[in-house]
Amino acid sequence: EVQLVESGGGLVQPGGSVRISCVASGFIFSGSWMSWVRQAPGKGLEWVANTNQAGSDKYYVDSVKGRFTISRDNAKNSLYLQMSSLRAEDAGVYYCVRGGSRTFDYWGQGTLVTVSS
Amino acid sequence: QSVLTQPPSVSAAPGQKVTISCSGSSSNIGNNYVSWYQLLPTTAPKLLIYENKERPSGITDRFSGSKSGTSATLDITGLQTGDEADYFCGTWDSTLSAYVFGTGTKVTVL
Repeated sequence: EVQLVESGGGLVQPGGSVRISCVASGFIFSGSWMSWVRQAPGKGLEWVANTNQAGSDKYYVDSVKGRFTISRDNAKNSLYLQMSSLRAEDAGVYYCVRGGSRTFDYWGQGTLVTVSS
Repeated sequence: QSVLTQPPSVSAAPGQKVTISCSGSSSNIGNNYVSWYQLLPTTAPKLLIYENKERPSGITDRFSGSKSGTSATLDITGLQTGDEADYFCGTWDSTLSAYVFGTGTKVTVL
């Protein structure tokens, strides 16, 4: 069974930083593109970033470029998102997702990031 | 704001059919595959349709997808109370170089 389990969310001050993580199981993690997708409170879905199987290619939505960094550790079956210079509009549920640009076939339950002073 | 437009809500009685539209452009739907996702309050989001009309294993054939030009459609037949959820279309946008989602549609079973 495919499982994606996120962690690391919480309350962060504006301008602050946080790293969220995702542990994958049930599939060959090192063979899959992976992405982060977020949903702000009461809003729709927004793709945030993706990375290829080796972690050598990384792409970001314009609104987070220069502030967020996606990375992975295939030895630990883990995906990460380092978020810096956080803004109120970055708040929401962040989902770890299998897939890159074609479709997202498995999603985690999400981790909530709140940006507030 | 999203480049893919969906109706905010659709509704029908149990057993009936609803259709959700997703309108885009040549830079997204017109030249890329469309997927559909279901968001329920207490579970992880679920992929319902990929490559415009294909269903993943385990997804009931009550859900069907189609694409024509720069628009896509998700049909839900035999509507059930468990289908009450938010539905989003999604595809790659070649101009933005980003995956884009629709504005989302809330399905209500009357």
